[in-house]
Formats: sequence, structure tokens, C-alpha cells
Amino acid sequence: GAVVSQHPSRVICKSGTSVKIECRSLDFQATTMFWYRQFPKKSLMLMATSNEGSKATYEQGVEKDKFLINHASLTLSTLTVTSAHPEDSSFYICSARDPVGARQETQYFGPGTRLLVL
Amino acid sequence: SQQGEEDPQALSIQEGENATMNCSYKTSINNLQWYRQNSGRGLVHLILIRSNEREKHSGRLRVTLDTSKKSSSLLITASRAADTASYFCATDRRSWGKLQFGAGTQVVVTP
Repeated sequence: GAVVSQHPSRVICKSGTSVKIECRSLDFQATTMFWYRQFPKKSLMLMATSNEGSKATYEQGVEKDKFLINHASLTLSTLTVTSAHPEDSSFYICSARDPVGARQETQYFGPGTRLLVL
Repeated sequence: SQQGEEDPQALSIQEGENATMNCSYKTSINNLQWYRQNSGRGLVHLILIRSNEREKHSGRLRVTLDTSKKSSSLLITASRAADTASYFCATDRRSWGKLQFGAGTQVVVTP
């Protein structure tokens, strides 16, 4: 099946710094990727839709200047948490669909990135 | 906003027993998907059921969908210790891929 990777898997940073998380589709091209956030023992919350070659679409309540998304190629989307604060600590997960695969509606999730801001 | 609500929040069963969890949602959907998440890991897609379907099977999994009641259920038969995980339903309203997740059901299967 399709594989999505994320890097890094875990990051600890100081308050005020920026952190970049990469999401890659390894064996398919994804024109659209999605970024989710998950708090401990909670559900996933959709943050934004990342569109290759165009601006990301953010969900209501998500600060676009805080969470910068770049989808520069068909296999890579990046999420940058700018000026991170402790409340940004969370588990960030990306997903993608294979638009030409047999299971086009299926989403493939990355393994997630755990961010801890001190 | 969270589309799906699941119950129970937690389920503890013994190996060999069946596990049933339910998901309710509020708006019309194009499809509903079930995912499994092991602790601290990514999500694994289990099964997708479209709005015009009522039941689907995949191995030991059985999913039903009742669009009139806006609800779905996931049944895991003959559970195994390896089924221990959190299970989430997610709805896709327009098949654009923007999923709204339920709160999840934490399933523990003891040997």
C-alpha cells in the first residue's frame, strides 16, 4: 500500500523557536495533503489542506501565520510551527491520498511527529 | 468541529470475544472511514463505506452504515491481543479528503 513518511518523528525545542515538519509520499504523487493535530488521548483535528503549487486552506480557528504550510512538490509538504510555545506541544500527523490508485478515497497517514516545546 | 461521536469511549474484552463500537455524526456524508491507531503512532486505514452502502466486510471487521440515523458501527470478531488500539471513525462530507474524526474508542484485548 501507499506509504507516507514524516520527519522528524520527535522534536523538542525551546519556546520562541520555529520547527519544520516534513511529510512525504514515498511511492505516489499527492497533489493534496492534510495536516492534523492530536492532543493526548484525544481525537485528530484537521488543521489545513495542503495543495501542491498553491496556498494551503486552513480550517477555522487555525492561525495560518502560526502554522506555515508549503507544498512545493508532488511528494513533499512541510508544516512550520513558527515561534513555538508550550501550548503548541502536540502530535502532528499528515495524510495524503493517491489520486491515481485503486483506492482513491483512502487516506494514508504518516507516523506522526511529536513536538514538545519547553 | 468534531463530526463524529463514538461510544463507548473505552472497551475492555478478552481474546476471542467480539468488540463493537459505534459512531454517530451530524451532517450528510459522502463516505465514512474507520481507522486504528496504536499508542503514539500514526493511523492505519481499516475500511471505507460509502453513503450508498449499508454493510462492508474486511477479514474480521464488519462495518455498517445507517444514513437515516447518521450512525455507523464497527465490529471486530474473534478479537486478538494485537487488536488493542484506539479506533476512530472519520467522515468525509464531499469526498474531498477533509476528514472529521470522532473521539475514538480505546479497545483493550486481554489474553
